[in-house]
Amino acid sequence: KAGVTQTPRYLIKTRGQQVTLSCSPISGHRSVSWYQQTPGQGLQFLFEYFSETQRNKGNFPGRFSGRQFSNSRSEMNVSTLELGDSALYLCASSLEGQTYGYTFGSGTRLTVV
Amino acid sequence: GQQLNQSPQSMFIQEGEDVSMNCTSSSIFNTWLWYKQDPGEGPVLLIALYKAGELTSNGRLTAQFGITRKDSFLNISASIPSDVGIYFCAGQLQGTNRDDKIIFGKGTRLHILP
Repeated sequence: KAGVTQTPRYLIKTRGQQVTLSCSPISGHRSVSWYQQTPGQGLQFLFEYFSETQRNKGNFPGRFSGRQFSNSRSEMNVSTLELGDSALYLCASSLEGQTYGYTFGSGTRLTVV
Repeated sequence: GQQLNQSPQSMFIQEGEDVSMNCTSSSIFNTWLWYKQDPGEGPVLLIALYKAGELTSNGRLTAQFGITRKDSFLNISASIPSDVGIYFCAGQLQGTNRDDKIIFGKGTRLHILP
């Protein structure tokens, strides 16, 4: 059974640009959540999608957005990048209701210069 | 909002020693999860706890769901070099609202001295 796949693994962007990250969940998982991980703040929840609908949202500015497709694949987009957006972005998928916890991908390391 | 206080932030131990870390919250959780993250990878689920008082083992790892449902601990016995990494606790509310998100602690970074 394939795990959660995130692409790309590494990304370097300049300030002001925008970026799109992709996440393919485990087959059969309909919930996809996104987290930002930085050394100082730990894992910060961005948003969760379930059946193409955003079900939960964290406290991030509107520059951070996401969507989910009918095949449960998800993308997140960050517009007008800032230096502080440099982080590891993790995607996690789970069965309906998150009862069994998450399975994480390996993440996308975004560096903004 | 809900917050998890995880301690210690980091630990330096000798190989073979036992390790203990814990998470506390002012909120009541119905599920506690413990994850481990290796460098350059995403967190991996180690143990899931679903009932207050539950004590669960996974090899050398033992975790307990506190009776008050506001805390949990993780013990690692006889540590080995591959135990190095960041350990995260996570709590989830599961009431009638099935879309309660999982809240993570800030992690305990484990270092093992040769």
